[in-house]
Amino acid sequence: NAGVTQTPKFQVLKTGQSMTLQCAQDMNHNSMYWYRQDPGMGLRLIYYSASEGTTDKGEVPNGYNVSRLNKREFSLRLESAAPSQTSVYFCASRRPMDSPLHFGNGTRLTVT
Amino acid sequence: GQQLNQSPQSMFIQEGEDVSMNCTSSSIFNTWLWYKQDPGEGPVLLIALYKAGELTSNGRLTAQFGITRKDSFLNISASIPSDVGIYFCAGSPGKAGNMLTFGGGTRLMVKP
Repeated sequence: NAGVTQTPKFQVLKTGQSMTLQCAQDMNHNSMYWYRQDPGMGLRLIYYSASEGTTDKGEVPNGYNVSRLNKREFSLRLESAAPSQTSVYFCASRRPMDSPLHFGNGTRLTVT
Repeated sequence: GQQLNQSPQSMFIQEGEDVSMNCTSSSIFNTWLWYKQDPGEGPVLLIALYKAGELTSNGRLTAQFGITRKDSFLNISASIPSDVGIYFCAGSPGKAGNMLTFGGGTRLMVKP
């Protein structure tokens, strides 16, 4: 039982390059989330998907797009990476009306 | 948006000492959560609080939901080296809902 799996673990991009961060969960959770973590700022919600087929903006959605490919998978895309998007990205999932959020181990992204 | 102020930002303590940290909010929350993050991993839920005034323990950890619903406290008794990590509070206006707001984290370092 892997829980929430994120790939890749590390990535370095040049400004303007694009990439997709992958997330998959095997817990049959309905809701999935993407957060970014920056020093001293906790985690900030980028986008979430309350259920398959729906996505909504979180606190910091600019510069990102998401796709809820199916119930298991929720990807985050950076179309044109900027240095301000250097961060650690966490995917999480949960069942509706249930705690806790289950987090993946993160993707550390550096944009130069 | 909502803000959570978490303090202290970091603590360096001797093994065996007790630890206290807290979070305060600019608005009312109906759920308070405490997470721990080990290096290179995602946050893991420690304690969830759903009622004002609630006091909940998980082993050596005790957390309280402030009576004003604008603050929460986490205490760790008799710290051990594996308590090292970053502790995050998180609050939600709903039941651990989609719009969790995270504090900036307390980095705990324990000297053996």
